Amino acid sequence: KNEVEQSPQNLTAQEGEFITINCSYSVGISALHWLQQHPGGGIVSLFMLSSGKKKHGRLIATINIQEKHSSLHITASHPRDSAVYICPLIQGAQKLVFGQGTRLTINP
Amino acid sequence: SAVISQKPSRDICQRGTSLTIQCQVDSQVTMMFWYRQQPGQSLTLIATANQGSEATYESGFVIDKFPISRPNLTFSTLTVSNMSPEDSSIYLCSVAPGVGEQYFGPGTRLTVT
Repeated sequence: KNEVEQSPQNLTAQEGEFITINCSYSVGISALHWLQQHPGGGIVSLFMLSSGKKKHGRLIATINIQEKHSSLHITASHPRDSAVYICPLIQGAQKLVFGQGTRLTINP
Repeated sequence: SAVISQKPSRDICQRGTSLTIQCQVDSQVTMMFWYRQQPGQSLTLIATANQGSEATYESGFVIDKFPISRPNLTFSTLTVSNMSPEDSSIYLCSVAPGVGEQYFGPGTRLTVT
């Protein structure tokens, strides 16, 4: 079993829809990242979470340490949100543990 | 935060040759990481490069194949040696300026023919 599982693996939605991507993990962590990777390969760090909830623009990330679960929400989705979203776990000081990611496609 | 640049952004190389990828950061950082992302896969850590010490390689990666230099706190290079088509990947460097923080470069897309 992978230490981090994301769902869904692929998600296609229409512009404007509310999007939720889930991340479940099975190991102890100090925190968790949400990353966005565009087709060209570049990666943008969206959030780092160790507890609670963070919001930036149309993006909201939550984490429940007891339940070992995090979610990324996108409100009023737009085609430019199309990307792969990844939630690597932070173990120890800096070691990241990656899952497979969620490929999001937003159609106009 | 940290701004990272990588060179080259992409390259097409012949089997058996070597390519050196450069990673430049706009601030001094102790910890720098090199990742590989094979087609359709997630990122895999190759090695951790700290200035002033030898790089620490993850299981499955060796120094002869992926030599790394870290001459100062803002720069590192990764060489992919004696390339084969299986080395075709995106190679990314990242830095960790603070606990839990990590920022990624734009990546180098390598195709080996």
